[in-house]
Amino acid sequence: ETGVTQSPTHLIKTRGQQVTLRCSSQSGHNTVSWYQQALGQGPQFIFQYYREEENGRGNFPPRFSGLQFPNYSSELNVNALELDDSALYLCASSLDWAGGPYEQYFGPGTRLTVT
Amino acid sequence: AQSVTQLDSHVSVSEGTPVLLRCNYSSSYSPSLFWYVQHPNKGLQLLLKYTSAATLVKGINGFEAEFKKSETSFHLTKPSAHMSDAAEYFCVVRLNTGFQKLVFGTGTRLLVSP
Repeated sequence: ETGVTQSPTHLIKTRGQQVTLRCSSQSGHNTVSWYQQALGQGPQFIFQYYREEENGRGNFPPRFSGLQFPNYSSELNVNALELDDSALYLCASSLDWAGGPYEQYFGPGTRLTVT
Repeated sequence: AQSVTQLDSHVSVSEGTPVLLRCNYSSSYSPSLFWYVQHPNKGLQLLLKYTSAATLVKGINGFEAEFKKSETSFHLTKPSAHMSDAAEYFCVVRLNTGFQKLVFGTGTRLLVSP
């Protein structure tokens, strides 16, 4: 069984640029959630994708967007990068089914630095 | 609104002594609660979960937590700390709002000295 993987591991971007982060979900999982973890803080929920549709969103502006593909992998896109976007971005996958529960399994994260 | 509060930002113990990481929750109904651990430069690993079954929950690596409704607490304990337990620990509540969303506490850094 393959766990959640994320790429790249580290990324440095300049303010105003755009970035795409990638996540491969654990085998058999159909739901992907993205979290932002600023330094010294707990992760904050960005959004969740289920069967290629966004089905929930946290308190993040529209310049944070995502995609989920038929194989359930996912991308997080951030436009017009700001310095405060510097953080560890975590992807979590889970199996969403009527019976639940839905443990989320996390990838190692992508460290984004905006200069 | 559902939330969790971790009462200590840092906890220091000696190797071989007990560990207690405190978490209080706020919820209008029986919540689903989790403890996750994050080692430096690593992702989050699920330690244990409470989903309204047994109130005493056993997890990996000798950790356990007890759900106490009367105290709205879900403290994490371990009888004997190991050096490898040094990490950041997060208490988490899961919201069921049509989709599954995890709400994290601010974290407790556990320091283990020899």
